[in-house]
Amino acid sequence: SQQGEEDPQALSIQEGENATMNCSYKTSINNLQWYRQNSGRGLVHLILIRSNEREKHSGRLRVTLDTSKKSSSLLITASRAADTASYFCATSTGGSYIPTFGRGTSLIVHP
Amino acid sequence: EADIYQTPRYLVIGTGKKITLECSQTMGHDKMYWYQQDPGMELHLIHYSYGVNSTEKGDLSSESTVSRIRTEHFPLTLESARPSHTSQYLCASSDPRRSTDTQYFGPGTRLTVL
Repeated sequence: SQQGEEDPQALSIQEGENATMNCSYKTSINNLQWYRQNSGRGLVHLILIRSNEREKHSGRLRVTLDTSKKSSSLLITASRAADTASYFCATSTGGSYIPTFGRGTSLIVHP
Repeated sequence: EADIYQTPRYLVIGTGKKITLECSQTMGHDKMYWYQQDPGMELHLIHYSYGVNSTEKGDLSSESTVSRIRTEHFPLTLESARPSHTSQYLCASSDPRRSTDTQYFGPGTRLTVL
């Protein structure tokens, strides 16, 4: 079964609002990454958080990690229509370092 | 933009045809991957490679095969395409010297088998 589960499955907001997506996982991880996928395209890496980190920022992105709850959240502040995409979390466990992806959250930002 | 390329971007083909999806990267990455993704769904790992002459099957059973004769190329072949193979195929690469294993993805090939 998949390691990461994002929720919500879909999110629709107005431009300027914040968007929060969550990812839960089952087993201990080495790191957790968030990726973005525009419709019909490949995935683009956004941000990585290691298991010993609790929060990271990159521009309008803020990622948190709670290893006790086995969950992570991605916050996009002041969203823009161009943020419309699917967002996936990917977890790496053990020694293989092959990320496992969740089903993704589909974000629509209305202008 | 990542330096990883996939061709063709779109392919519509009849049942029974043999097809090869091309993937190449110019970043010198040793690790490469193939994922299958249906619309709105998760990515399923079907093949991966740690380097030249290394190929492994992923989590999702697939009737495709791969080869890794050169570092930069990782083609995927379907000997006899079927409608059940209709999907998007994503190729990715990563640098194993970096423990983060961040993946760089190509634009994908959308395959339709009639």
